Amino acid sequence: DAKTTQPNSMESNEEEPVHLPCNHSTISGTDYIHWYRQLPSQGPEYVIHGLTSNVNNRMASLAIAEDRKSSTLILHRATLRDAAVYYCILRDVSLTTNAGKSTFGDGTTLTVKP
Amino acid sequence: ETGVTQSPTHLIKTRGQQVTLRCSSQSGHNTVSWYQQALGQGPQFIFQYYREEENGRGNFPPRFSGLQFPNYSSELNVNALELDDSALYLCASSLGGVLLSGANVLTFGAGSRLTVL
Repeated sequence: DAKTTQPNSMESNEEEPVHLPCNHSTISGTDYIHWYRQLPSQGPEYVIHGLTSNVNNRMASLAIAEDRKSSTLILHRATLRDAAVYYCILRDVSLTTNAGKSTFGDGTTLTVKP
Repeated sequence: ETGVTQSPTHLIKTRGQQVTLRCSSQSGHNTVSWYQQALGQGPQFIFQYYREEENGRGNFPPRFSGLQFPNYSSELNVNALELDDSALYLCASSLGGVLLSGANVLTFGAGSRLTVL
């Protein structure tokens, strides 16, 4: 199964940009890259996703390496509410029995300092 | 639109017992997947249901089983509970057929916390 590797923890100052890296060297051609974040006592919340091209939305930007073996989630101006565990996951879009299978790593705990 | 709701929020069982967890998917979503999250770890994919059939499964034994109903709600059943089954069980719904399931965004519930003694 394709796996993701993320740093255990990162720190940022409030209102500064944050770059959260993710390695997925065994990614397959049918895997989408998704990012979710999880606050204590809550389920994960969708942040952004992409396949090959860089993506932007109101929450963040996703930069995907040309070989797709790594990606970076970019929070342009971190706020205290962005403190959470961030997960980079791969979701299989193929028509095999892996359909919809999502592989989570252990995530990166982001601490935002005021 | 309503989000994903799970019940019960907390429950305690003893080894060998059986448990059923329930999930109501977000309005308009037709696909449900279940995840097990041990303390301090990321969620682990158990299985996915689309149109009332299991169409994707992670590395979990057969004593983990599920159902999806015509209204797209779902149940997770775990038989012969073991101590290691203690975890947060998350349900997520999404929209789309099998072809697009990898692209579609997951909407998670808050989870059911299971403790096995």
